[in-house]
Amino acid sequence: NAGVTQTPKFQVLKTGQSMTLQCAQDMNHNSMYWYRQDPGMGLRLIYYSASEGTTDKGEVPNGYNVSRLNKREFSLRLESAAPSQTSVYFCASTLGALMNTEAFFGQGTRLTVV
Amino acid sequence: DQQVKQNSPSLSVQEGRISILNCDYTNSMFDYFLWYKKYPAEGPTFLISISSIKDKNEDGRFTVFLNKSAKHLSLHIVPSQPGDSAVYFCAAQHRGSYIPTFGRGTSLIVHP
Repeated sequence: NAGVTQTPKFQVLKTGQSMTLQCAQDMNHNSMYWYRQDPGMGLRLIYYSASEGTTDKGEVPNGYNVSRLNKREFSLRLESAAPSQTSVYFCASTLGALMNTEAFFGQGTRLTVV
Repeated sequence: DQQVKQNSPSLSVQEGRISILNCDYTNSMFDYFLWYKKYPAEGPTFLISISSIKDKNEDGRFTVFLNKSAKHLSLHIVPSQPGDSAVYFCAAQHRGSYIPTFGRGTSLIVHP
C-alpha cells in the first residue's frame, strides 16, 4: 500500500523556470492538500481540494496553481519560480472534508530555486 | 495570525524521563486535535488525536491532554526513548472545514 506518492523528491530550478509537482494517493481519499515547510514556520497550507473537482486557496497561495486531475491526483504548479519558493513541499490527503480524520503525507519534495 | 502555537522550538530530555510537548490554539471552533511526528527527510506521520468531547486520550507511551477552557493541549511521552527524537507538530481541525492547521513544530531530542 503506497499511500501518498510525490514526485520528484528533489529539484533544482533557475529563477523564472516552471515545474509541476505531482501527487497521487491510493487510499480513495476525497480531500487533498499541498503544504510547504520552511525552517521555523511549520507546515503552511498552499492549496487544498476538498473533493474531486474543487480547489481552494490556503494560507500562502501566491505564485502557485493546482489541478485536481481526478480523485487520486493533485498537482502543484510553479509558473515562474522564485528563490522565495525554495522549500520542502508536502502533499497530504484525508478521508473527507465532512469528518475528522488524520492526514496522510507524502515523503516531500525538496525544491531549491537559484 | 497563528491559530495553533507551539512556543517551544526545541526540547531535550534524558532517556526514560517524561517528555511534555505543549500546544495552544486561539480558534474556539477547533474541535479535533492531532499530533504528528516527523523524522528528517520523511513526511509527517499521525501519532495520536483527541476530540473536544474528551480531556485525555492514551495510546501506549503517548498521552494527549486537552484543556478546552485554556485552549491548551499537551503531549506526554513516558518513558522517552532515543527513537522518539523527531519534530512534533500539533494540528487542529473543526467541523466547518476539517482542514488541518499546523503549529510550527517542536524538535524533541532524547539523549541516551
